[in-house]
Amino acid sequence: DIVLTQAPLSVSVTPGESASISCRSSKSLLSSKGITSLYWYLQRPGKSPQLLIYQMSNLASGVPDRFSSSGSETDFTLKISKVETEDVGVYYCGHRLEYPYTFGAGTKLELK
Amino acid sequence: EVQLVESGGVLVQPGRSMKLSCAASGFTFSSFPMAWVRQAPTKGLEWVATISTSGGSTYYRDSVKGRFTISRDNAKSTLYLQMDSLRSEDTATYYCTTGNWFAYWGQGTLVTVSS
Repeated sequence: DIVLTQAPLSVSVTPGESASISCRSSKSLLSSKGITSLYWYLQRPGKSPQLLIYQMSNLASGVPDRFSSSGSETDFTLKISKVETEDVGVYYCGHRLEYPYTFGAGTKLELK
Repeated sequence: EVQLVESGGVLVQPGRSMKLSCAASGFTFSSFPMAWVRQAPTKGLEWVATISTSGGSTYYRDSVKGRFTISRDNAKSTLYLQMDSLRSEDTATYYCTTGNWFAYWGQGTLVTVSS
């Protein structure tokens, strides 16, 4: 199984500042079709997860452009610029390269 | 507006069975693969199973293979998860979600396996 390792496990950010979350894969997530199969989700407290980023760097519908993602075949970074109150929650990376699909352990973002 | 509404989660004893349902609306259900993802209390997300658009192909995580069955009724726009031989480690909130991107999620239904 592909293991996704997120860091840090928690981050505390002052509103208006930036935050970065890392996700490292145990295997290249570049598919034979040239798509990098890495996704980012946010689960706000008490809510269902929501898709933020698909295929490593594409913003999902309705997601503010304060969110961005980049990376290589195995190392990925989610960046949140100008953090707002609504960004509080747990961020998960996940892959869809092969079964079983797996997720990282999550990174909890809170405000200072 | 896409809506996914899960139901069927209850308290059940180990070894018993349960069937979850997910009613979908707001999109062409038959055009998308569907999946179940679960989350144990205070834990992270765990993919459980995926079904193809026609239902002809299904995929499971090893820990539920042979015990869980994912199915769908495209005429009713409904996704199902039949769970047999339930174990305490199956206790979780079960979410249905769309496609391979998991673009949309339901509100989840809590399954508790305990004697």
